[in-house]
Amino acid sequence: EDKVVQSPLSLVVHEGDTVTLNCSYEVTNFRSLLWYKQEKKAPTFLFMLTSSGIEKKSGRLSSILDKKELFSILNITATQTGDSAVYLCAVGDYGQNFVFGPGTRLSVLP
Amino acid sequence: GAGVSQSPRYKVAKRGQDVALRCDPISGHVSLFWYQQALGQGPEFLTYFQNEAQLDKSGLPSDRFFAERPEGSVSTLKIQRTQQEDSAVYLCASSLVSGNTEAFFGQGTRLTVV
Repeated sequence: EDKVVQSPLSLVVHEGDTVTLNCSYEVTNFRSLLWYKQEKKAPTFLFMLTSSGIEKKSGRLSSILDKKELFSILNITATQTGDSAVYLCAVGDYGQNFVFGPGTRLSVLP
Repeated sequence: GAGVSQSPRYKVAKRGQDVALRCDPISGHVSLFWYQQALGQGPEFLTYFQNEAQLDKSGLPSDRFFAERPEGSVSTLKIQRTQQEDSAVYLCASSLVSGNTEAFFGQGTRLTVV
């Protein structure tokens, strides 16, 4: 059965800190890994990763995939209170399905 | 509209009542997904459409759950004889093409069964 594990499940930091969120997976026929930020209801897309070792960057956020070790990390530098959210990792296979992890709840305190 | 639109945003149903949840995907998006998200959990896959074809319904928890997308755009998720364990947020997502391109999510419908 396909599985996605995220750690930590929750994290509390102060503004300006750097955080690293982890996502590991066991998926048959891996195709892509996606990161989403969920603040209220709708997860908003952050990154899609398909190749190992290629960092994707968007402002203070960056992510990288290791297909050999079956994990990805999401880094957020110089955190702000607006970064407080649940960060979801989802892995897609060739069957069109996305399997989501439980999410990491990040709280950034002023 | 520019994004995925779901309605209603909130629905309270009495146990045993039937409900219908609507999803308007982004125009032109081929793929449409339904997910169920319980409180504090990640979204769990329910079903997937490519145009009007329902290609995967392996995540539907019981035969009380039914989804359709008859013209390949708007989709409806119907839950018959609702039970308390059906209480969750139901998320719809669409993506431009089939295959794992990024999927864009709607705001979801929060269903509470009392």
